[in-house]
Amino acid sequence: NAGVTQTPKFRILKIGQSMTLQCAQDMNHNYMYWYRQDPGMGLKLIYYSVGAGITDKGEVPNGYNVSRSTTEDFPLRLELAAPSQTSVYFCASSYSISRGAGVNYGYTFGSGTRLTVV
Amino acid sequence: QQPVQSPQAVILREGEDAVINCSSSKALYSVHWYRQKHGEAPVFLMILLKGGEQKGHEKISASFNEKKQQSSLYLTASQLSYSGTYFCGTLTTDSWGKLQFGAGTQVVVTP
Repeated sequence: NAGVTQTPKFRILKIGQSMTLQCAQDMNHNYMYWYRQDPGMGLKLIYYSVGAGITDKGEVPNGYNVSRSTTEDFPLRLELAAPSQTSVYFCASSYSISRGAGVNYGYTFGSGTRLTVV
Repeated sequence: QQPVQSPQAVILREGEDAVINCSSSKALYSVHWYRQKHGEAPVFLMILLKGGEQKGHEKISASFNEKKQQSSLYLTASQLSYSGTYFCGTLTTDSWGKLQFGAGTQVVVTP
């Protein structure tokens, strides 16, 4: 039982390049999330998904795209990388009984991807 | 709007106690607490649902005051392993499963 697996762990991109951060979970969680964490700061939500085929924007979605074709995978796409996207990216998953009830179980985070855009 | 955590940082000696507060301007469904050690991912500690319940994890406990829209995390008889940054995450009436995290409280426990 691996939990949440993120790849790659580190990446350096040049300005204008694109890349996909991979995230996979094997806990059959319905909710998945992408957060970014800038140095010394909290976590900001980029995108989230409540199930396969359903995604929605978080607080800071500009410059990113997501898709969720399966329950297990939730890749994050960076198009036209900019220095402002230098950050640590965390994928997380959780299980929720009901979307409207606001009751989620605890999040399980992946180990993160440290991205530098130069 | 993200919750407000206080204090920003606290330094403790082993065995001392500390309280970390988390306040929201919106009505809360639940509050999560996480601990993140340097260079690692956040780790889930506990979740509190509205109703004022209190929970514990080792000698770490938390309370949730729904009326005041705030939660407190209590570190009791702190151990060296308690060092890290503690984040609260809040679910509000309009956030539908999207946790909003506070800026974090850095805790340093010294021998």
